[in-house]
Amino acid sequence: QQQVKQSPQSLIVQKGGISIINCAYENTAFDYFPWYQQFPGKGPALLIAIRPDVSEKKEGRFTISFNKSAKQFSLHIMDSQPGDSATYFCAARIVNTGTASKLTFGTGTRLQVTL
Amino acid sequence: KAGVTQTPRYLIKTRGQQVTLSCSPISGHRSVSWYQQTPGQGLQFLFEYFSETQRNKGNFPGRFSGRQFSNSRSEMNVSTLELGDSALYLCASSLGGSGLGYTFGSGTRLTVV
Repeated sequence: QQQVKQSPQSLIVQKGGISIINCAYENTAFDYFPWYQQFPGKGPALLIAIRPDVSEKKEGRFTISFNKSAKQFSLHIMDSQPGDSATYFCAARIVNTGTASKLTFGTGTRLQVTL
Repeated sequence: KAGVTQTPRYLIKTRGQQVTLSCSPISGHRSVSWYQQTPGQGLQFLFEYFSETQRNKGNFPGRFSGRQFSNSRSEMNVSTLELGDSALYLCASSLGGSGLGYTFGSGTRLTVV
């Protein structure tokens, strides 16, 4: 059962433009929402993360917007650069019992930033 | 500081064989989690180890197993390999686990023929 839905599957943005990737979740028990960036041949790297008690978090050109009531969150990449071309994954954490938890990942968005 | 090291980087195995993958976490990290990444299913959680104990397990058959040693290094084993086990296997280490602050390795690309 897919618990985190990510869109779009792929995205082409011109250099200097804004890239927007969206994720939606169903389980209100999720308590931590990170975004990961993955380049070919590499593992995912943590980009930015947010807790559900915060509506927005910004780190450099990357911003997470979080809408708790709509159960949606999104990644905005401002002034997109060719070096941002990668696959982006949203994720959500659920704590099962005690400290047993895991990340559930979205299906990924392949971003291409053109010149 | 050194990152998460996974060995080997590439592996080709035949159906029915078994395979062992290794993960050395960042120094000081006590949690290691394993994920399977495929084009069709994305990143799927396999299991998490913390201080040599399996703390959580995903929905994979019993052919997938793992362990963690006292130095936090972890291994995962897949027995009786199937074609569908072909994937990139990623491990992620963190200080306390629980999905926070993961640092992923570059993965082991397993191909089953």
